[in-house]
Amino acid sequence: DGGITQSPKYLFRKEGQNVTLSCEQNLNHDAMYWYRQDPGQGLRLIYYSQIVNDFQKGDIAEGYSVSREKKESFPLTVTSAQKNPTAFYLCPREGLGNTGELFFGEGSRLTVL
Amino acid sequence: GENVEQHPSTLSVQEGDSAVIKCTYSDSASNYFPWYKQELGKGPQLIIDIRSNVGEKKDQRIAVTLNKTAKHFSLHITETQPEDSAVYFCAASKSGTYKYIFGTGTRLKVLA
Repeated sequence: DGGITQSPKYLFRKEGQNVTLSCEQNLNHDAMYWYRQDPGQGLRLIYYSQIVNDFQKGDIAEGYSVSREKKESFPLTVTSAQKNPTAFYLCPREGLGNTGELFFGEGSRLTVL
Repeated sequence: GENVEQHPSTLSVQEGDSAVIKCTYSDSASNYFPWYKQELGKGPQLIIDIRSNVGEKKDQRIAVTLNKTAKHFSLHITETQPEDSAVYFCAASKSGTYKYIFGTGTRLKVLA
């Protein structure tokens, strides 16, 4: 996926359980992002991080948590507080040279049973 | 708040015809407008983009136009082919940020 690896690709969880999605990059990029996509809708920003040990809430951060302890890793935890967690989760990479481009990979599809 | 409206939500065209998808944004500070194509089960793929200092950009059969005054931008696909069938998303963002506001998508069906 061009320097970004998301895992797992498919994930099932029972209601009330927390689950963590992995996003790893080997691009040495400072910034990392998490977006959510619901069926038939566009993507919405959950969290983003512009530097290690710092992150900011996006438009729909409630029920989610993140950490940025290492530059290459930005895991997203979907907590039991997230009311509608079934969705497609994407961790895009930036284009080279601060162009403003975002490139999305295959994402992680979470289904709550 | 910031918003991007996208129309139509579905669009069916005959193979070889043109397709046009339109978006309107609310934040006048937006200056970068990408378009994505998403096939079933996959992540969105960037197909073309335009910046606010340009009114039109073309890449083979696809083109994007931008009207900053009206805060409109559009995707044009000419000579459509069945493989153009997908969901297309527009988005808007501002310089210095990778925070995109996405439209709700247009499902394009190209009928053979």
